[in-house]
Amino acid sequence: AQTVTQSQPEMSVQEAETVTLSCTYDTSESDYYLFWYKQPPSRQMILVIRQEAYKQQNATENRFSVNFQKAAKSFSLKISDSQLGDAAMYFCAYRSFFSGSARQLTFGSGTQLTVLP
Amino acid sequence: EAGVTQFPSHSVIEKGQTVTLRCDPISGHDNLYWYRRVMGKEIKFLLHFVKESKQDESGMPNNRFLAERTGGTYSTLKVQPAELEDSGVYFCASSQGGANEQFFGPGTRLTVL
Repeated sequence: AQTVTQSQPEMSVQEAETVTLSCTYDTSESDYYLFWYKQPPSRQMILVIRQEAYKQQNATENRFSVNFQKAAKSFSLKISDSQLGDAAMYFCAYRSFFSGSARQLTFGSGTQLTVLP
Repeated sequence: EAGVTQFPSHSVIEKGQTVTLRCDPISGHDNLYWYRRVMGKEIKFLLHFVKESKQDESGMPNNRFLAERTGGTYSTLKVQPAELEDSGVYFCASSQGGANEQFFGPGTRLTVL
């Protein structure tokens, strides 16, 4: 079974600065997807960024980028130029790649990010 | 386009009572998932519907939980009788295909006293 670990329950960052959220995972599969989801206070969880394990290039979405280290099973999220609206709970998640395999997401315990003005 | 909706947003019940949570997926999404987050812990998968059929219910904790998806549209998750450890946030998600992005609802916060 796959597991996802987020070792930072809480993080804070000054507005306009850069912050990195950590995520490690364990799997015996060679192909899979990794995700970062964001849940702002009292709002729904939304997908921030997605990485396919077979792609060597790190995914980037505007101010959000990942550092995907497949051998180390590490998948960190970097938020550049942090904004007040980035304050949220961030979840790292894993999903199997192959059809027929489990389609559900396996989540970490989350990192609560505070952005300081 | 309306997103995934869940009702109620918050439910407070006493141990031993019954509660039914509802999820309305995005129109046209055949795949519907239920997840649960117990306070401070990770979000855990409960079950997966494809249309009206249960594709995977390996995450259901016990037989006090019953999920249905009538006609392949909305889904309900009933907890009967509720126990203290059932408290948490219950999330619903839907996707158009099993391999596609899952869109989440806002969750239902269940408190069992």
